[in-house]
Amino acid sequence: DTGVSQDPRHKITKRGQNVTFRCDPISEHNRLYWYRQTLGQGPEFLTYFQNEAQLEKSRLLSDRFSAERPKGSFSTLEIQRTEQGDSAMYLCASSPSTGYGYTFGSGTRLTVV
Amino acid sequence: QKEVEQNSGPLSVPEGAIASLNCTYSDRVSQSFFWYRQYSGKSPELIMSIYSNGDKEDGRFTAQLNKASQYVSLLIRDSQPSDSATYLCAVIYSGGSNYKLTFGKGTLLTVNP
Repeated sequence: DTGVSQDPRHKITKRGQNVTFRCDPISEHNRLYWYRQTLGQGPEFLTYFQNEAQLEKSRLLSDRFSAERPKGSFSTLEIQRTEQGDSAMYLCASSPSTGYGYTFGSGTRLTVV
Repeated sequence: QKEVEQNSGPLSVPEGAIASLNCTYSDRVSQSFFWYRQYSGKSPELIMSIYSNGDKEDGRFTAQLNKASQYVSLLIRDSQPSDSATYLCAVIYSGGSNYKLTFGKGTLLTVNP
């Protein structure tokens, strides 16, 4: 395991559908983050897990968004009733419990049509 | 509202020149500073981190931090066409959320052969 894996790489969905993304962090990293990036912007923080506990959620994460990290391993991000404004790159990152060595995954690019 | 400001560019330099990228941040009590490189359609890649005032050099890259002026910069010496990318400045603020990266919008750098 040499990096953070995200699946799928691309997702095109119709407005109103639900989508789920998966992130597999670096195995020894207990911290996991989700960020969202739209065109011309820097990544924006969505949520943070330490092990299986979700410790912070951004106000950007509306009720349609939910994230889980069962057993402190992989994480999923679900978006219900997608809207065109949800179109973005969704980035997952992980880091060890000490230091700030974030490693980002390749991202999932979501297009809502 | 804690902010990170960058000139969006584009910044265009000839091959072999020094590229200078700048970033200011709003919170005096920030503790950690990062520069990420992001190629088009790819995820951010960490290239430099700096935690204390002064310069930090790594190969062709030098990060400079001035906490009194709330300013961090990145110099790229002997710029190469492969350095053409968006450079994102990111800050971790001290306090409760001392794991969360706050990004600027990024500066697009083009190195012309």
